[in-house]
Amino acid sequence: GQQLNQSPQSMFIQEGEDVSMNCTSSSIFNTWLWYKQDPGEGPVLLIALYKAGELTSNGRLTAQFGITRKDSFLNISASIPSDVGIYFCAGPAASGGSNYKLTFGKGTLLTVNP
Amino acid sequence: GAVVSQHPSRVICKSGTSVKIECRSLDFQATTMFWYRQFPKQSLMLMATSNEGSKATYEQGVEKDKFLINHASLTLSTLTVTSAHPEDSSFYICSARSSGGVGTQYFGPGTRLLVL
Repeated sequence: GQQLNQSPQSMFIQEGEDVSMNCTSSSIFNTWLWYKQDPGEGPVLLIALYKAGELTSNGRLTAQFGITRKDSFLNISASIPSDVGIYFCAGPAASGGSNYKLTFGKGTLLTVNP
Repeated sequence: GAVVSQHPSRVICKSGTSVKIECRSLDFQATTMFWYRQFPKQSLMLMATSNEGSKATYEQGVEKDKFLINHASLTLSTLTVTSAHPEDSSFYICSARSSGGVGTQYFGPGTRLLVL
């Protein structure tokens, strides 16, 4: 089945630094989603990308849908302590059909040192 | 965004008992709900897809007789873990999809299950 390879697995950064993480797939995705999960909570949608080449921002977050449709990246600028959490990329599985089942990457654990 | 709730937020039960977890979409109608399981430091693994008024579709390797799913209305889906065992201890998360594409899938806050 489809797999999403997300990197890096974890990052330790200082407050104020910029962060970049990415997701790749061996197969084409028509939609890329980026979620953030705080400890003990469910994921919250940050950015949704629907078109190859699309670049979308949400505050300090910017994500791009790769032209090959097999990759996406998420950038966080000027990180702050509340950016701590696990970031997941996700996309609809090939077998999802009209139900839009999602496949998730393994996540990037972000730690921000004040 | 839309709100999805789960109840209970955490539950501790004895081995062999059954546990029911509720997932509700509070301000929209969800034709489809999804149930995920997440083990510590791992990603979300889809267990089943629940469509209102029909039988749930389970992912490969998920026992449908052990994880009973009922989607009785457009705002409520329930997951019952039957005869729970310690290996069923996990974080269970539901999501609900409104009409309008894959980006409109909203997640609940999760239920932490501990089976003793």
